[in-house]
Amino acid sequence: DTGVSQDPRHKITKRGQNVTFRCDPISEHNRLYWYRQTLGQGPEFLTYFQNEAQLEKSRLLSDRFSAERPKGSFSTLEIQRTEQGDSAMYLCASSRTGAADTQYFGPGTRLTVL
Amino acid sequence: QKEVEQNSGPLSVPEGAIASLNCTYSDRVSQSFFWYRQYSGKSPELIMSIYSNGDKEDGRFTAQLNKASQYVSLLIRDSQPSDSATYLCAVNGYGGSQGNLIFGKGTKLSVKP
Repeated sequence: DTGVSQDPRHKITKRGQNVTFRCDPISEHNRLYWYRQTLGQGPEFLTYFQNEAQLEKSRLLSDRFSAERPKGSFSTLEIQRTEQGDSAMYLCASSRTGAADTQYFGPGTRLTVL
Repeated sequence: QKEVEQNSGPLSVPEGAIASLNCTYSDRVSQSFFWYRQYSGKSPELIMSIYSNGDKEDGRFTAQLNKASQYVSLLIRDSQPSDSATYLCAVNGYGGSQGNLIFGKGTKLSVKP
């Protein structure tokens, strides 16, 4: 199996700019999750897709955040008008239906907002 | 508010010793429990999953679950310096087969040669 991949691995941007991250799940996995992790904290759930449907969104996901999974394969997470508080590691995970939420994580995208 | 609690550590053990990591959770309907290992600057790596009360062993790792006490633990036998990492406990967010994981803040383990 090819694991979960994320692109880019690092992103530095200026406050107010828009950024977009991509996640490619494990090929047979139909569920895809986005999490955010800051220093000293565990990952915090942002949103979740089953196939192309976005089934759940955390209240952490403000109006500046949007996620898509248009064909049920890869997903994108866009942050508009970035703020310094958005600086974090953005993690993508995938799982398979019936696998009891066994989620496998990608390498993450580290975002720094200056 | 569903919560997962872990001692942040650091937990320091000598090489070859048993490391014991503990986790409690607040949501009684949780059914799936996971331990992830995270090296500094890297993403979480799945080590163990456990769904039923009792022990589950995989190599040097043993996960223990007690749903009545809402307690899950991870034992690492014959600890090695390469085991030095942060260990994250994660719990299924809902009492079903879908949904997000809720993570603790992690326990930092240091294995001294």
